[in-house]
Amino acid sequence: RKEVEQDPGPFNVPEGATVAFNCTYSNSASQSFFWYRQDCRKEPKLLMSVYSSGNEDGRFTAQLNRASQYISLLIRDSKLSDSATYLCVVTSGTYKYIFGTGTRLKVLA
Amino acid sequence: DAGVIQSPRHEVTEMGQEVTLRCKPISGHDYLFWYRQTMMRGLELLIYFNNNVPIDDSGMPEDRFSAKMPNASFSTLKIQPSEPRDSAVYFCASTGTGNTEAFFGQGTRLTVV
Repeated sequence: RKEVEQDPGPFNVPEGATVAFNCTYSNSASQSFFWYRQDCRKEPKLLMSVYSSGNEDGRFTAQLNRASQYISLLIRDSKLSDSATYLCVVTSGTYKYIFGTGTRLKVLA
Repeated sequence: DAGVIQSPRHEVTEMGQEVTLRCKPISGHDYLFWYRQTMMRGLELLIYFNNNVPIDDSGMPEDRFSAKMPNASFSTLKIQPSEPRDSAVYFCASTGTGNTEAFFGQGTRLTVV
């Protein structure tokens, strides 16, 4: 079983839609959680950290469920510019960043 | 800051040749990571260093792969001999103690023919 698992998608949604991605992780001792965004043929970049209490950044909301070992990302009012691959990241130990394979999102006009 | 700098950006080589990928982390960062990304396997952690010392190399696929970090501002990933299945994008990333974000270089796209 992979340490971090994501639905690869693609998720094709119309502009303005709300879309949610989930990610599960296998190591219950994982300490930190993140969502990264990767555009086609570019490097991954941090989208947001995920905190136990849940956190929001504009149209983006991230949540962590430690009991069930999953992380979610909700995008409201999708924009064309949100089209990208979203990578779930979990740390094993403090600084060992383990990436999921990513979920592709395409926002359609 | 210039960010994480990788070279070359693209490399095409013949099977059996030695390939060396280079990385300069962000100044002041004490963690450096090498990742490999393919469509099938996603972004795999190969090895990471802390203060120039390899901490975990469990992701290095086999003995053909080696990585070094001779000083705080430079690291190499070497493949010898290279094989077509090594074709991938190789990313280097760095972060500092107390930081949460890992910053990535633009990657090296390796093609072994």
